[in-house]
Amino acid sequence: LAKTTQPISMDSYEGQEVNITCSHNNIATNDYITWYQQFPSQGPRFIIQGYKTKVTNEVASLFIPADRKSSTLSLPRVSLSDTAVYYCLVGPPTSISSGSARQLTFGSGTQLTVLP
Amino acid sequence: EAGVAQSPRYKIIEKRQSVAFWCNPISGHATLYWYQQILGQGPKLLIQFQNNGVVDDSQLPKDRFSAERLKGVDSTLKIQPAKLEDSAVYLCASSPWGTTGGGELFFGEGSRLTVL
Repeated sequence: LAKTTQPISMDSYEGQEVNITCSHNNIATNDYITWYQQFPSQGPRFIIQGYKTKVTNEVASLFIPADRKSSTLSLPRVSLSDTAVYYCLVGPPTSISSGSARQLTFGSGTQLTVLP
Repeated sequence: EAGVAQSPRYKIIEKRQSVAFWCNPISGHATLYWYQQILGQGPKLLIQFQNNGVVDDSQLPKDRFSAERLKGVDSTLKIQPAKLEDSAVYLCASSPWGTTGGGELFFGEGSRLTVL
């Protein structure tokens, strides 16, 4: 199972760009990288997913270097409402892993606190 | 589009009592997941259903936990008898069949269980 390592916590100020890096040194060829956001008293919410290079959506960007041993979630111009826990998940498509999501392990995540 | 519905939101019981949680996934989503999230930790997969069949229940403590998904739609997770260490948030998630990579998983708001 691909193990991920993220910083436990990060602080930022409103309007700044925040970059959260996730290490996954033993990522497998079939693995994708997915990021979720979780607010208190809510379930996690999908942010972005990628396999290689760069992926961008309306919320964030995901940068994946060529060796894929790490990835960086970039949140542009954060606001107070971006204060949450961010999880990095690494795992294969369920079509390959016999359909099981067990390999998609949530670690302890990164607590991002955005300050005014 | 309605999200994943869960109930109850909160439940307090004494140890050795039983409790049941209900989940209604997003319409049309064939895959349903139950996760356990202990305070300060990321969600941990307990069981995964594909329609009304079990894909993976390897991390479900089967001596006290049971889950079913009759007719391939709603699901119930039961704990009997409960232990103090079962205090956690129980999250239900659903996804369409054949998702790429890690998801996207759509989570409900969770059911918070306190065992006294």
